[in-house]
Amino acid sequence: EVQLVESGGGLVQPGRSLRLSCAASGFTFDDYAMHWVRQAPGKGLEWVSGISWNSGSIGYADSVKGRFTISRDNAKNSLYLQMNSLRAEDTALYYCAKDMFPAAGSNFDYWGQGTLVTVSS
Amino acid sequence: QSALTQPASVSGSPGQSITISCTGTSSDVGSYNLVSWYQQHPGKAPKLMIYEVSKRPSGVSNRFSGSKSGNTASLTISGLQAEDEADYYCCSYAGSSTFGVFGGGTKLTVL
Repeated sequence: EVQLVESGGGLVQPGRSLRLSCAASGFTFDDYAMHWVRQAPGKGLEWVSGISWNSGSIGYADSVKGRFTISRDNAKNSLYLQMNSLRAEDTALYYCAKDMFPAAGSNFDYWGQGTLVTVSS
Repeated sequence: QSALTQPASVSGSPGQSITISCTGTSSDVGSYNLVSWYQQHPGKAPKLMIYEVSKRPSGVSNRFSGSKSGNTASLTISGLQAEDEADYYCCSYAGSSTFGVFGGGTKLTVL
């Protein structure tokens, strides 16, 4: 059974940093691209960042480019999101999502339950 | 990198069919056959319903179908059931640095 478990969310002040983690199990992690997708309270889904199976291809939404860094450790079956210079508008539930293919695309076949990030003073 | 355009809401009666549109541009929907659709019930994680415009993942009912014409993709749900009531989101590949762009979401109400 595929499982994606996010952690690392919490309350943080504007301008500070936070690192999210996603622990994957139930599939061959290094065979697939992975993504972060967020959802602000009461709002729609927003793709944040994605990384190919071997970290050779990485992408970011314009809203986070230059502030967020995605990475993965295939030996640890883990995905990460380093979030710097956080803003109030980054407040959201952050989902880890598995791609259907090794190359990063837009087909997310499994999702975690999300970790909540709240940016507020 | 603008969000794809979806109607805010659609509704239908049990047994009827409905279609949700998703309009993008020649840089995303129009350029790639890489449109996916997600169903989200309140308080739950999204679920993949359609990928690569018209393919259904294993386990998804054949009442769900997808299509695309030009810059607009569509999700059709036939034989509406009460459990189909949810929010639906489209997503398109948008290039090698912006892998995904979502639509604003459509709330489906089953009357």
